[in-house]
Amino acid sequence: GIQVEQSPPDLILQEGANSTLRCNFSDSVNNLQWFHQNPWGQLINLFYIPSGTKQNGRLSATTVATERYSLLYISSSQTTDSGVYFCAGWGGSYIPTFGRGTSLIVHP
Amino acid sequence: DAGITQSPRHKVTETGTPVTLRCHQTENHRYMYWYRQDPGHGLRLIHYSYGVKDTDKGEVSDGYSVSRSKTEDFLLTLESATSSQTSVYFCAISERDRAVSGANVLTFGAGSRLTVL
Repeated sequence: GIQVEQSPPDLILQEGANSTLRCNFSDSVNNLQWFHQNPWGQLINLFYIPSGTKQNGRLSATTVATERYSLLYISSSQTTDSGVYFCAGWGGSYIPTFGRGTSLIVHP
Repeated sequence: DAGITQSPRHKVTETGTPVTLRCHQTENHRYMYWYRQDPGHGLRLIHYSYGVKDTDKGEVSDGYSVSRSKTEDFLLTLESATSSQTSVYFCAISERDRAVSGANVLTFGAGSRLTVL
């Protein structure tokens, strides 16, 4: 099956800083999503982005499908951005595979 | 809105007892999934379903069984719970994004925290 590698595993920021999270895939995927798991455990869909670039407020994501990676950008980070960020990818098998996540702590 | 409800949200049980977790959806999504989440492992697939009575195993299926007798409900059963099955269990559905052709967007329920003593 597809292997998903996320980096960095941990990230600590001061409020206002920018960051880039990366997701690498071992094989091509037709579907790719980024999720945020907040401190209460809720998994929230951030982006569905199998290719191209999307932006939503301070967050944006870019997927380079031909090189099998995706990047999540967080600008002007806030304490509410804290949590764990996961990416997941899947192809025609309809079986999403997740990375182990990036744990983000934003200090005030 | 996918309308996913998991129950129970919290459960404490003893080793050897059977446990059933329920995932209920309010729309007719075909694909449903059960994941478990443990520190250091991320989300791992237990079982998934691609229709009524159509299910298959994921990467960590040992000790678990599932059933889907109707489209809206996907049940996860631990026949004889063990301490290693203490975890947070998430149900997810895959739904078509009407705004994006070919997109299958994964949406999660709120999770069920299971503690096996």
